[in-house]
Amino acid sequence: EIVMTQSPATLSVSPGERATLSCRASQSVSSNLAWYQQKPGQAPRLLIYGASTRATGIPARFSGSGSGTDFTLTISSLQSVDFAVYYCQQYNNFFSLTFGQGTKVDIK
Amino acid sequence: EVQLVESGGGLVQPGRSLRLSCAASGFTFDDYGMHWVRQAPGKGLEWISGITWNSGFTGYADSVKGRFTISRDNAKKSLYLQMNSLRAEDTAFYYCARDLGGYTSTNTFDCWGQGTLVAVSS
Repeated sequence: EIVMTQSPATLSVSPGERATLSCRASQSVSSNLAWYQQKPGQAPRLLIYGASTRATGIPARFSGSGSGTDFTLTISSLQSVDFAVYYCQQYNNFFSLTFGQGTKVDIK
Repeated sequence: EVQLVESGGGLVQPGRSLRLSCAASGFTFDDYGMHWVRQAPGKGLEWISGITWNSGFTGYADSVKGRFTISRDNAKKSLYLQMNSLRAEDTAFYYCARDLGGYTSTNTFDCWGQGTLVAVSS
C-alpha cells in the first residue's frame, strides 16, 4: 500500500496570504495525485487531479504541482471560504487508493 | 444537477450486517464508475471500495476485503454496499462518490453524497 504523508498537520494563514501544502508518497505515483477540500459538516470537493489540473469550477488561485513522490497544493491568496481541511489522494494503481491524513488550514 | 443520496446507515451491533444504498440523479449513472469512501468521526478519508460502470471490475481496501461487497443496479441508478461482520472500527460516515473518468475510471472522485452514518456498538 502506498502511504501518503501530508505536512504540516495545521497551517495558520492570514487572509490574502499564500498557503503551501505538501504531500509525499512512499513510492512514486507519477502524476496520479488529486487534492480535495473538506469543510466541517460537508462532503469533500475535488480541487485538483493529475497533480496539476483544476477540476471544473475551481478558482485559479488553487494550483497543484509535482510528480513522482513530492506534491504541492498552493492557494495563492487565501480567502475566508478557503479555510478547511485539505487531503491528497493517490490513484497510481487501479482500485488501490489512499489518502493523506489531511492538512487543516485555519485563520492566523 | 448531479445528486447522490446515501441511505441505510444506523446503529448496529458488532458482527451484524447492514446494507447501504446510494441513489443517483442528474447524470447518466451507467456511464460512470462509482466508489464508497468512509470517514470515522473527526478522522481522515479512507477509500473502501469501487466498481466500474458495467460492474466488470470491483476493488476493496484490505480493511474491508472479504466482509464488504459493492454492487450496482444501473436500471435503478443505484449503488450498494453490503457490509457483513461489522466491527467497532467500521464506525464512520459512508460517502458514495462518482468517478471523474466515466467509462475510463480514473479513481478520483468528482461528486460526493452527503454521507450516511454507520455506528457499530453493542
